[in-house]
Amino acid sequence: GAVVSQHPSWVICKSGTSVKIECRSLDFQATTMFWYRQFPKQSLMLMATSNEGSKATYEQGVEKDKFLINHASLTLSTLTVTSAHPEDSSFYICSADLRTGRFEQFFGPGTRLTVL
Amino acid sequence: GENVEQHPSTLSVQEGDSAVIKCTYSDSASNYFPWYKQELGKRPQLIIDIRSNVGEKKDQRIAVTLNKTAKHFSLHITETQPEDSAVYFCAASKGVGSNQFYFGTGTSLTVIP
Repeated sequence: GAVVSQHPSWVICKSGTSVKIECRSLDFQATTMFWYRQFPKQSLMLMATSNEGSKATYEQGVEKDKFLINHASLTLSTLTVTSAHPEDSSFYICSADLRTGRFEQFFGPGTRLTVL
Repeated sequence: GENVEQHPSTLSVQEGDSAVIKCTYSDSASNYFPWYKQELGKRPQLIIDIRSNVGEKKDQRIAVTLNKTAKHFSLHITETQPEDSAVYFCAASKGVGSNQFYFGTGTSLTVIP
């Protein structure tokens, strides 16, 4: 149980275009999901907390107009990187917790974004 | 916000030896401390976690200790094996209601056969 998937697993796009990444909880409902960014050989940096039915909460320094988050259902959160630039190239990972008193987060397999 | 520091950044040990990775955190409200193992290009996998009401937890060859007063916690791996080679991350969270994870900078562990 507690499986999280992401789609696509990798994407290459041209500078200036927008890219949407999906995060799904496959066997549980996730009222809250989290989005992280990981540059090569670096740590996971929390970008935002995605809340079902309400606005996402962004970490300090993360541009909410550039990284649009939508959590329209209890099993799906999407991250849209708008007007992508080469510096946005990174590994984007989502996670969710069970909200049952367990604090563990279950991570998706990640999406490798390359902006040319 | 929370600031988690992790040391060392790289660690090489001989197979069978022990490995210790240390983390410190800044926010005294943090009360959940997981450790994740990540292989290259893959998702992080939870290996052990500890809550602030416990000082130590052990699972076979892996143990975690927590000193809440000093705001530091450590991962101990005994009898290391080559398959333990990976990047390990510690994290801190306030838990229920505010379960954002703030990760340490990571430790690349190499176990030499």
